[in-house]
Amino acid sequence: GAVVSQHPSRVICKSGTSVKIECRSLDFQATTMFWYRQFPKQSLMLMATSNEGSKATYEQGVEKDKFLINHASLTLSTLTVTSAHPEDSSFYICSARARQGLGNTIYFGEGSWLTVV
Amino acid sequence: AQTVTQSQPEMSVQEAETVTLSCTYDTSESNYYLFWYKQPPSRQMILVIRQEAYKQQNATENRFSVNFQKAAKSFSLKISDSQLGDTAMYFCAFMKAVDAGGTSYGKLTFGQGTILTVHP
Repeated sequence: GAVVSQHPSRVICKSGTSVKIECRSLDFQATTMFWYRQFPKQSLMLMATSNEGSKATYEQGVEKDKFLINHASLTLSTLTVTSAHPEDSSFYICSARARQGLGNTIYFGEGSWLTVV
Repeated sequence: AQTVTQSQPEMSVQEAETVTLSCTYDTSESNYYLFWYKQPPSRQMILVIRQEAYKQQNATENRFSVNFQKAAKSFSLKISDSQLGDTAMYFCAFMKAVDAGGTSYGKLTFGQGTILTVHP
C-alpha cells in the first residue's frame, strides 16, 4: 500500500538553531502535503498546506518565516523550524494526498518528535 | 469554516463490550467526507472508517461502525467486542469533497479527540 515516511522520527536541537523534517511519499506522487502539529493529549492542528511547485499556504497564526515549508518535488515536502525555541517542542506529522489513482485517501507519516533544549 | 466537536475527553470499556464515541460537526458544505482515526501510543494515525456524506448507508469495517445522521450533523463510532488493542486516542475528522481551487483538497479538520481505554 501507499506509504508516507517522515524523517527524523525524533530530534533534539539547541535553542536558536534550525531543524529540518522531511515528509516523503514512497510509492505515489503527492500533489499536496499537509503539516500538522500536535501537543500531548491534544488534537492535530493544521499548520500549512504544501503544494508542489508553489508557495505553501499557512493557517492563521502560524509564522511562515519560522516554519519554512518547501515542496520541491512530487514526493518530498520539508518543514524547517528556524531559530527553534523550547515552545516549539512538539510532535509534527505530515499527510499526503495522492495525485491520482488512489482516490481520496489521505496518508499520514509516522510523525516527528522535536525537542528544543 | 468547519468545526468538529468530540465531547468525551476520555472513555473506558471492558474487554468484549461495546462502546460508542460521539462526534458532531458543523459545516455549510453539502458534499464531504467524515473519518474516524485511531492514534495509539506510537502516534501513528490509523484510518478506522470513512463515510461519504452523499451515502445514506452507514459505513462498517468489521467491529467498527458509524451512525451518520446528516441532518443532525452527528457521526458517532461504535466499537463492538472491544479488544485491548483498541486502546488509543480516537479522532473524528472532516474533509471537504471538493475544493474549488483544488489546492487544499485533503485538508482534515480534527475534533479534540477521545482517549479510549479498554480494560481486561
